[in-house]
Amino acid sequence: NAGVTQTPKFRILKIGQSMTLQCTQDMNHNYMYWYRQDPGMGLKLIYYSVGAGITDKGEVPNGYNVSRSTTEDFPLRLELAAPSQTSVYFCASSYSPESPLHFGNGTRLTVT
Amino acid sequence: AQSVTQLGSHVSVSEGALVLLRCNYSSSVPPYLFWYVQYPNQGLQLLLKYTSAATLVKGINGFEAEFKKSETSFHLTKPSAHMSDAAEYFCAVSGDSGGYNKLIFGAGTRLAVHP
Repeated sequence: NAGVTQTPKFRILKIGQSMTLQCTQDMNHNYMYWYRQDPGMGLKLIYYSVGAGITDKGEVPNGYNVSRSTTEDFPLRLELAAPSQTSVYFCASSYSPESPLHFGNGTRLTVT
Repeated sequence: AQSVTQLGSHVSVSEGALVLLRCNYSSSVPPYLFWYVQYPNQGLQLLLKYTSAATLVKGINGFEAEFKKSETSFHLTKPSAHMSDAAEYFCAVSGDSGGYNKLIFGAGTRLAVHP
């Protein structure tokens, strides 16, 4: 059972480039989330989804977009990368709002 | 709005010593509280959670936390530290909606364990 899988593990982008961070889970969880982790700041929620076709903004959504066409996949899109988006990005999933979050191992993104 | 404050960004203890990681929260509604642990280059893993049942919550790896409403605290303890406990620990509280799916995380406390 792979759990939550994120790709790539590392990426360097130039300012203005775009990319998609991939996230897939094989636990049939309805709830999926994207967080960013900055040093000394904890984790901030970017977007979340309560099921296929349904997404909503979290605390820091500006500069990002998401989609949820299937239960398994929840990609995060950066359209015009900025240095402020340098961070470690974590995808997570849960069976229900009452269930613990299962995290992927993260994507370390640097924008220069 | 809910918030979480973790006192001490770095804590260092000797192997075998008591571990105490502090967490204070603010919440206008009865909170759900969590401790997560993050090992190097990995995602977060749930240590334990408080959901308004017993105020003393036992988690994995010998950790426990006590919910104290009067002090708005949820400190994490372990009687005897092990080298493998070295990691970063995050306290989290459920968001304003009261649902688990909008967790507010603290800034984290990095625990170092030395021989």
